[in-house]
Amino acid sequence: SQQGEEDPQALSIQEGENATMNCSYKTSINNLQWYRQNSGRGLVHLILIRSNEREKHSGRLRVTLDTSKKSSSLLITASRAADTASYFCATSTGANNLFFGTGTRLTVIP
Amino acid sequence: DTAVSQTPKYLVTQMGNDKSIKCEQNLGHDTMYWYKQDSKKFLKIMFSYNNKELIINETVPNRFSPKSPDKAHLNLHINSLELGDSAVYFCASSQGVGEVKIYEQYFGPGTRLTVT
Repeated sequence: SQQGEEDPQALSIQEGENATMNCSYKTSINNLQWYRQNSGRGLVHLILIRSNEREKHSGRLRVTLDTSKKSSSLLITASRAADTASYFCATSTGANNLFFGTGTRLTVIP
Repeated sequence: DTAVSQTPKYLVTQMGNDKSIKCEQNLGHDTMYWYKQDSKKFLKIMFSYNNKELIINETVPNRFSPKSPDKAHLNLHINSLELGDSAVYFCASSQGVGEVKIYEQYFGPGTRLTVT
């Protein structure tokens, strides 16, 4: 299976703290993407990191990728209540397919 | 303007019925997808169409039939609905071919299907 797995499944933090989510996958990839899903809504693309990149930043988001360990992490700094959502990693082999992980449910307490 | 739209947002129907979900994207993308998200939030690809041609067909019962009248639309028709079909179905699009390939996918708001 090419499905990724996120860890932890659920995370609860205080506003202002940092949140770190991890993703592990099984096969070689072209790129790895992170998506956010607010309750009852569709997924929103956050950031993409290519297989030849090790770290990428976008605003308060920092993504790392370790292809030797087949793992990625998403760090959200200075979290806000509005960051409360489920976060999914998705891997791509470069074809028109994405394989999603199981998601991390993040709750940011005001 | 909504980039990827789906109708209906909610669909409640009885076992054995046939139903359709419609999807439209106004992003000019050439590739569209259907995903199924189960009650545990696991999201799995069902179909992918590129320029109206089927390119991905995961292990999905043949009761599910996608139809793409043009590259901006991808509809999903489901025959003989079963209880296990209850889920949220998401449509998505991306730019799959060409010199500038955009791997990011843009998702619709989802259609919550409940089969009773």
